[in-house]
Amino acid sequence: DAGVIQSPRHEVTEMGQEVTLRCKPISGHNSLFWYRQTMMRGLELLIYFNNNVPIDDSGMPEDRFSAKMPNASFSTLKIQPSEPRDSAVYFCASSLALGDYEQYFGPGTRLTVT
Amino acid sequence: AQTVTQSQPEMSVQEAETVTLSCTYDTSENNYYLFWYKQPPSRQMILVIRQEAYKQQNATENRFSVNFQKAAKSFSLKISDSQLGDTAMYFCAFLSSNTGKLIFGQGTTLQVKP
Repeated sequence: DAGVIQSPRHEVTEMGQEVTLRCKPISGHNSLFWYRQTMMRGLELLIYFNNNVPIDDSGMPEDRFSAKMPNASFSTLKIQPSEPRDSAVYFCASSLALGDYEQYFGPGTRLTVT
Repeated sequence: AQTVTQSQPEMSVQEAETVTLSCTYDTSENNYYLFWYKQPPSRQMILVIRQEAYKQQNATENRFSVNFQKAAKSFSLKISDSQLGDTAMYFCAFLSSNTGKLIFGQGTTLQVKP
């Protein structure tokens, strides 16, 4: 079975540019999560969806960050405009449902903003 | 709010020996789940083991086992017969059944030496 798919795997962009990260959850999973990992702050939950509906976006650091889930098989995380401090690894994860099921992670996108 | 603490930033073990990674957590919830994830240099987050809070029996997965002490809010991971491939960062994580949020500890870097 295919796991969680993320693209791109690496992204290098200049400050001020728009960045869009993409995620395809495991088929049949109803919950999707976006995380950010940095050395300083570790793994942080940014936002999560259940049945395509955003449930909690309190982890989104600023208005420059936005996320959408237009259907059950696709989600995007957008940063506009990007800043050097956004450099991190961004993970997408999915689970069967909220609360009682383990989350399976994608390979991550390493974002570098220069 | 829930917190997860891993007090050992780095550990090392000789190949074939046993090592225990510590984790404590704080919560007022009664229904929750605990996990250990492994992150090797490839940065893929891999689920190692899962424990349901309502189960008294400690979870085991081959060479990996946990010591779950609910009253003490402690959840340690024991790796037996350590292998070079076990070298990775290990994250303890708490999953709230109420919110579906997965909260991670800071991680412990484990090096297995030949």
